[in-house]
Amino acid sequence: QKEVEQDPGPLSVPEGAIVSLNCTYSNSAFQYFMWYRQYSRKGPELLMYTYSSGNKEDGRFTAQVDKSSKYISLFIRDSQPSDSATYLCAMSANAGGTSYGKLTFGQGTILTVHP
Amino acid sequence: DAGVIQSPRHEVTEMGQEVTLRCKPISGHNSLFWYRQTMMRGLELLIYFNNNVPIDDSGMPEDRFSAKMPNASFSTLKIQPSEPRDSAVYFCASSPAGADTQYFGPGTRLTVL
Repeated sequence: QKEVEQDPGPLSVPEGAIVSLNCTYSNSAFQYFMWYRQYSRKGPELLMYTYSSGNKEDGRFTAQVDKSSKYISLFIRDSQPSDSATYLCAMSANAGGTSYGKLTFGQGTILTVHP
Repeated sequence: DAGVIQSPRHEVTEMGQEVTLRCKPISGHNSLFWYRQTMMRGLELLIYFNNNVPIDDSGMPEDRFSAKMPNASFSTLKIQPSEPRDSAVYFCASSPAGADTQYFGPGTRLTVL
């Protein structure tokens, strides 16, 4: 079993829809949770960063962490065609420190928002 | 800042040839990561360095793969000899000290015929 599980999709939604992307994990030591967005033929870029449980909002994006269930989510409101990309969850046990910034990534979910 | 720089952006080679991929991390970052991405396996961590020292190379698939970081501003990933199953996009990423946010380069798309 992988440490981080993410449904690869693909997920196709109409413009304006609310999108929910999810990851589950097995390592209870994970405390820092990230979402990366990767456009076609580009490198992943950091989209959201959260620490421990709770919600964090940034514009149309909301990241949610439930450590008790080992489950994280990314919600996209009023989705746009420009949101079409692969979304990867990532997590770490500590910020830098002995892991030197190593992250454990999910498989990535391919999202298409059609007009 | 120019971000992480990788070269070449595309590489097409024949089976058995040596391939060298290059990476320049963001200035001041002290951790560097090499990844391979395929549709089947997603993003796989191959090896990472901290302060130019290899920390964990358990993700390197075979002895045909090797990586070096001779100084803080340069790293190479070498495949010798290359095989068709090595075809993938290879990413380099760097991270500043005390942080776990990684900054990725644009990747090198490798095709081995």
